[in-house]
Amino acid sequence: GAGVSQSPSNKVTEKGKDVELRCDPISGHTALYWYRQSLGQGLEFLIYFQGNSAPDKSGLPSDRFSAERTGGSVSTLTIQRTQQEDSAVYLCASSPQGSSYNSPLHFGNGTRLTVT
Amino acid sequence: AQTVTQSQPEMSVQEAETVTLSCTYDTSESDYYLFWYKQPPSRQMILVIRQEAYKQQNATENRFSVNFQKAAKSFSLKISDSQLGDAAMYFCAYRRGAQKLVFGQGTRLTINP
Repeated sequence: GAGVSQSPSNKVTEKGKDVELRCDPISGHTALYWYRQSLGQGLEFLIYFQGNSAPDKSGLPSDRFSAERTGGSVSTLTIQRTQQEDSAVYLCASSPQGSSYNSPLHFGNGTRLTVT
Repeated sequence: AQTVTQSQPEMSVQEAETVTLSCTYDTSESDYYLFWYKQPPSRQMILVIRQEAYKQQNATENRFSVNFQKAAKSFSLKISDSQLGDAAMYFCAYRRGAQKLVFGQGTRLTINP
């Protein structure tokens, strides 16, 4: 079946511009996560959705970052006034049951964002 | 806050040999899950193996097995009969309940033919 889909796969933007990154989770998955991975680094948690609500936004690095999820499905991560330090791969993951310890996260291929 | 530490930034192994990747974590909880994910150059994170903290038996998945030492808070991954396709970044991760997965910094594994 279809996996987690992210678009665009690559995005180059100028410093100061806004960008939107999209994530289509696996159908029926109620939990959705956004992570950021800087070059050669581990994954940094950004935000977690359960349905349309976001019980954990603790990882968003600044108020320039926001995310929404509509209809319990597609999610958009928006970065306003991008800075060079925002350059990274942004990974989205979904899981069938957010409240289950055992639910594995299924990841997309990520969006590589480059801010010039 | 929970932390996960992978002390080996890079490892290499000869094809067909066995390699062990180390992972330690810090938590005050008694019930949680541990995972190993693989990230090839395609960037996609692929689940390799998972372990429930309440189970004493170490998880195995074909050539992959773990050595889970709960008291020591250690969770190493052993790859037997290494294959060229095993080359990737490997991430150890911790999760409790619906909370986020907390990842280590990763170990880059190279397989020498």
